Amino acid sequence: AQSVTQLGSHVSVSEGALVLLRCNYSSSVPPYLFWYVQYPNQGLQLLLKYTTGATLVKGINGFEAEFKKSETSFHLTKPSAHMSDAAEYFCAVSRRGNTDKLIFGTGTRLQVFP
Amino acid sequence: EPEVTQTPSHQVTQMGQEVILRCVPISNHLYFYWYRQILGQKVEFLVSFYNNEISEKSEIFDDQFSVERPDGSNFTLKIRSTKLEDSAMYFCASIRDRGASGNGYTFGSGTRLTVV
Repeated sequence: AQSVTQLGSHVSVSEGALVLLRCNYSSSVPPYLFWYVQYPNQGLQLLLKYTTGATLVKGINGFEAEFKKSETSFHLTKPSAHMSDAAEYFCAVSRRGNTDKLIFGTGTRLQVFP
Repeated sequence: EPEVTQTPSHQVTQMGQEVILRCVPISNHLYFYWYRQILGQKVEFLVSFYNNEISEKSEIFDDQFSVERPDGSNFTLKIRSTKLEDSAMYFCASIRDRGASGNGYTFGSGTRLTVV
């Protein structure tokens, strides 16, 4: 069975600092991997995804994530945090090539201080 | 950009009452999902729906829950007799077809259900 682990339920950074949100997955085969962002009182917005090809994927708002098969990780990074990045971030997986459900991690709440 | 539309955005209901949450998936999408998020917790899968039948359901999706696609556009989630623990944000999602899951699922903005 697939699962997702997000280390750190809360991450706080200063504006301009590096953002690193951790995600590890468990799957018998490399799955599709996603990061979703949820701003307060809003729905889920796709930030970026990895399906195949280049392991470093770029998303919206300057975020990127790198798929590392050997580490079963898909950590999300942004070089310089902005106040508007404050939100809840969810890592998710689904089975490759399938219309299977998404399995979400528990989420990481990012706070950005001025 | 096409959107998944959910109504209402917020619903308050009394315990024991029936509620119907409505979703309009993207028009050319064929696979539909409901997820829920209890306040402060992770997003959980409830049910998937394809070709007018349930493809998969979680253990949360018990006999109190049902889904329906009553016409060509709406996709509904019915909770027959609501309980306090059904209070949550409910998200509808859709994807186009079997090869599209790698494009990511499109989520609606959610319906916040409050059971009092």
